Amino acid sequence: EVQLVESGGGLVQPGRSLRLSCAASGFTFDDYAMHWVRQAPGKGLEWVSSIGWNGDNIVYADSVTGRFTISRDNARNSLYLQMNSLRPEDLALYYCAKDIATSGSGTLDSWGQGTLVTVSS
Amino acid sequence: DIQMTQSPSSLSASVGDRVTISCRASQSISGYLNWYQQKPGKAPKLLIYAASSWQSGIPSRFSGSGSGTDFTLTISSLQPEDFATYYCQQSYSHPYTFGQGTKLEIK
Repeated sequence: EVQLVESGGGLVQPGRSLRLSCAASGFTFDDYAMHWVRQAPGKGLEWVSSIGWNGDNIVYADSVTGRFTISRDNARNSLYLQMNSLRPEDLALYYCAKDIATSGSGTLDSWGQGTLVTVSS
Repeated sequence: DIQMTQSPSSLSASVGDRVTISCRASQSISGYLNWYQQKPGKAPKLLIYAASSWQSGIPSRFSGSGSGTDFTLTISSLQPEDFATYYCQQSYSHPYTFGQGTKLEIK
């Protein structure tokens, strides 16, 4: 069974940084592209970033480009999101999601339960 | 960016009803369209990918159709567990955009 467990969320002041982690199990992690998707409270889903199976093919939403960095450690079966210069509008539940394909198709077939990031002074 | 527009935004229906949710893309996305279901406090779940392919374990009462710019999710006979919010998403090009969601409520 695929399991994705996010961690690292919390309350942070505007302008500060936070690093999210996602621990994956139940599948061959380095066979699949991975994504981060966020959901502001009471709002819809927003795709944030994706990374290919080997760490290439990295893409970001315009709203986070230059501030967020996605990475992965295949030896540790882990996905990361380094978030710098956080803004109040980054407040959201951040989901880690597995792509259905190796290179990254954009179809997200498994999701974690999310980790909440709150940006407030 | 490709804009995805769902209609309706909310819908009231009864158990056993046939329900249709529409999704329109701002430009052609061929068949690169996915449908997700999200229940309160839970993560989204993939129902349909590539416009009409069932994800493993999804009941056959869910079906998807369409291509180009217009797509439809149909639930043939609503069950109590189907009351949730549904999102379409295009996987044609980055950024992978979602529709605003359709909240399906019990009448």
